[in-house]
Amino acid sequence: KAGVTQTPRYLIKTRGQQVTLSCSPISGHRSVSWYQQTPGQGLQFLFEYFSETQRNKGNFPGRFSGRQFSNSRSEMNVSTLELGDSALYLCASRRTRVTNTEAFFGQGTRLTVV
Amino acid sequence: DAKTTQPTSMDCAEGRAANLPCNHSTISGNEYVYWYRQIHSQGPQYIIHGLKNNETNEMASLIITEDRKSSTLILPHATLRDTAVYYCIVEDSGYALNFGKGTSLLVTP
Repeated sequence: KAGVTQTPRYLIKTRGQQVTLSCSPISGHRSVSWYQQTPGQGLQFLFEYFSETQRNKGNFPGRFSGRQFSNSRSEMNVSTLELGDSALYLCASRRTRVTNTEAFFGQGTRLTVV
Repeated sequence: DAKTTQPTSMDCAEGRAANLPCNHSTISGNEYVYWYRQIHSQGPQYIIHGLKNNETNEMASLIITEDRKSSTLILPHATLRDTAVYYCIVEDSGYALNFGKGTSLLVTP
């Protein structure tokens, strides 16, 4: 079956703009999480959605937001982009929200802010 | 949240077993140990996970000590394609994966 799909794969934006990234989870998976990866900070948890509700949030400013739709697809939005937001943004899906379930990651969206 | 400690880097000869250690001395009784790996700039790939018993799948084996304070990921016959950063993770109650810095494994010919 198809894996986690993230679009677009690459994006270049200017400081001050906003951006929306999309994630389609594996069919049947209801939990979607987002992560940011930078060379300096590594992989950091942004937030998690399950049943269209944000269930957990990492330590990121309010400029980072997300949502989940009824078909489990998710989007994340970053407003007022800063140079430091340049990163690989990864989405992961799980079948459900219990322990003992593995997460599957997409290939990520590489965002460059200039 | 339980924290993990892994060596920064390891080498392994192609065809030999790669044994990657991880310490998680503060793990709670119901927390699972997960292993993921990331090949340069790709999304992390799930490898295996376990609670207290040893686990094996087509990719690797996971050996968890009886006190659950440490574990070892074993890649039985390492290939060049296994060169990657390997992350040992104890998942917190909020289902967030704390990746840490991982172990950079280099498999050499």
